[in-house]
Amino acid sequence: SQTIHQWPATLVQPVGSPLSLECTVEGTSNPNLYWYRQAAGRGLQLLFYSVGIGQISSEVPQNLSASRPQDRQFILSSKKLLLSDSGFYLCAWSVRAGRTEAFFGQGTRLTVV
Amino acid sequence: AQSVTQPDIHITVSEGASLELRCNYSYGATPYLFWYVQSPGQGLQLLLKYFSGDTLVQGIKGFEAEFKRSQSSFNLRKPSVHWSDAAEYFCAVGVQGAQKLVFGQGTRLTINP
Repeated sequence: SQTIHQWPATLVQPVGSPLSLECTVEGTSNPNLYWYRQAAGRGLQLLFYSVGIGQISSEVPQNLSASRPQDRQFILSSKKLLLSDSGFYLCAWSVRAGRTEAFFGQGTRLTVV
Repeated sequence: AQSVTQPDIHITVSEGASLELRCNYSYGATPYLFWYVQSPGQGLQLLLKYFSGDTLVQGIKGFEAEFKRSQSSFNLRKPSVHWSDAAEYFCAVGVQGAQKLVFGQGTRLTINP
């Protein structure tokens, strides 16, 4: 069966520090991969999605970037965190084509102080 | 572009009462429709999905949803809620070929004992 791992679960970082959140998927090949952000009291905002290694689509301009160095690995990064980067970050995967239901990781709570 | 509206930000119901959460979508063709549930600090779990066929779909935890094309709606229902149903609920629409889901803003459900 397929599983998705996301870490760390919580993270407190100072303003201006770098960020790296990692997500890996097991039990499937060629998945679509997604990073969402959920700010307090708000819905899900799609940040990035990837349909293949090295292929990244950005949905909103921001202080973050994403990379997909391997088929089942998706990384969310920042060179310098802002206070506004605080939030709950969710990684998800879906089958590449056809049905587009997504399966989510457990999320990372990022607090920038 | 497709969009999803969940008109109710917060709903409170008594334990044992019936529940209906509203979802309206905007898309020119027949979409793929989903309901997800999120417990505090957790990822999203798929409750049910609609792709085609029978417009009344059954999901996990006793939930069901009905697709009404004429109203562009996909409302979630449960005949009798339990305290454990307290959570955030998200409706989402998928478009074949778009490789991503669009989520509504979510409805927070509170259960009164």
